[in-house]
Amino acid sequence: NSKVIQTPRYLVKGQGQKAKMRCIPEKGHPVVFWYQQNKNNEFKFLINFQNQEVLQQIDMTEKRFSAECPSNSPCSLEIQSSEAGDSALYLCASSLPTGSSNERLFFGHGTKLSVL
Amino acid sequence: QQQVRQSPQSLTVWEGETAILNCSYEDSTFDYFPWYWQFPRESPALLIAIRPVSNKKEDGRFTIFFNKREKKLSLHITDSQPGDSATYFCAASEANAYKVIFGKGTHLHVLP
Repeated sequence: NSKVIQTPRYLVKGQGQKAKMRCIPEKGHPVVFWYQQNKNNEFKFLINFQNQEVLQQIDMTEKRFSAECPSNSPCSLEIQSSEAGDSALYLCASSLPTGSSNERLFFGHGTKLSVL
Repeated sequence: QQQVRQSPQSLTVWEGETAILNCSYEDSTFDYFPWYWQFPRESPALLIAIRPVSNKKEDGRFTIFFNKREKKLSLHITDSQPGDSATYFCAASEANAYKVIFGKGTHLHVLP
């Protein structure tokens, strides 16, 4: 059972609507990743955090996507104006810091976004 | 630019055969290579991983062979079982860069 909790499991939005999804990382994991997995199962990295700080993000994220990992609250990923091409499975993963003995990513079950 | 490449895209083997999944990478700074597997309607999970200090990592029926000079690695699944049918992702990460790059995956189908 995944210890990374993502909500909601399914999200349906119309084009132009906001879409927001949340992630609670595994306890003790300071690093959080967001990936977009398309229908061909391909992963696209979106953004990652260590604690509340953004480590890296792609250009696409900087334009319509926003994300945050506030202390003592779930992390969130929000698409300001959804497009049909945003329909995908959004996976959140958490890990210990790199350089530790265990760098594996622990994935949540994902939020499946459908933009109609 | 695809930094981690996998082949084949799809692979079908019979139960009991050895399945070989290939992976190559471009960035010499990658120093951790995990393989994740993902079953339908499930999230990816770590299967096995290797660091470049080793050229082989074995865990039961699963073995990674690593060739640092050629920037290639492969996952061998011996005595394949129908329960091994899944999509296998090769990934690469760079120490202290918090960058984890995934390949496009190999869909493995093991026939009984």
